[in-house]
Amino acid sequence: AQSVSQHNHHVILSEAASLELGCNYSYGGTVNLFWYVQYPGQHLQLLLKYFSGDPLVKGIKGFEAEFIKSKFSFNLRKPSVQWSDTAEYFCAVRLNNAGNMLTFGGGTRLMVKP
Amino acid sequence: EPEVTQTPSHQVTQMGQEVILRCVPISNHLYFYWYRQILGQKVEFLVSFYNNEISEKSEIFDDQFSVERPDGSNFTLKIRSTKLEDSAMYFCASSPSSGGQETQYFGPGTRLLVL
Repeated sequence: AQSVSQHNHHVILSEAASLELGCNYSYGGTVNLFWYVQYPGQHLQLLLKYFSGDPLVKGIKGFEAEFIKSKFSFNLRKPSVQWSDTAEYFCAVRLNNAGNMLTFGGGTRLMVKP
Repeated sequence: EPEVTQTPSHQVTQMGQEVILRCVPISNHLYFYWYRQILGQKVEFLVSFYNNEISEKSEIFDDQFSVERPDGSNFTLKIRSTKLEDSAMYFCASSPSSGGQETQYFGPGTRLLVL
């Protein structure tokens, strides 16, 4: 069965620092990739997604992610974080042509210090 | 912007009791989902529902669970006889259609506590 790993469980950064959150998946077939964010007290919201084409995907709020097929990775980046980016970030994978089920990583809790 | 809504936000129940968790998906969406997250664990897929029937389910979704779209707006998850290990946050989601480039939109969740 496929799995998704987010190696950083907790990340603490100061404002204006750069962010990179790791996401790796274990599946050799074609995948669709997602990053969701959950701000405190709110629901999961889509940050960005990759289906095909340019492996560098730009999302909302200045986030981007790069799909590296050879590394089975889809890392999330932001050049300069803000206090309002404090949230939990979830990577998710959907196997193409195999239903709609999303498999989630364990989440990374980001705290940005003002 | 349309949102998925869920009620109640919190539910406390006794072991062995039945619970029904309610969701109102986004109105023009056709696919509906339930996921759960046990405290400290990953978000896990339970079931997807399309055209009034289950289209996929996970191993977690056993005979204790059922889903229903009782009317044109609600989508419910029923747990027949709750167990302690059913305590979790339950998320409903919906998408306009299947696969392709469709995004699943999540509700705020119902936190279920089984005592």
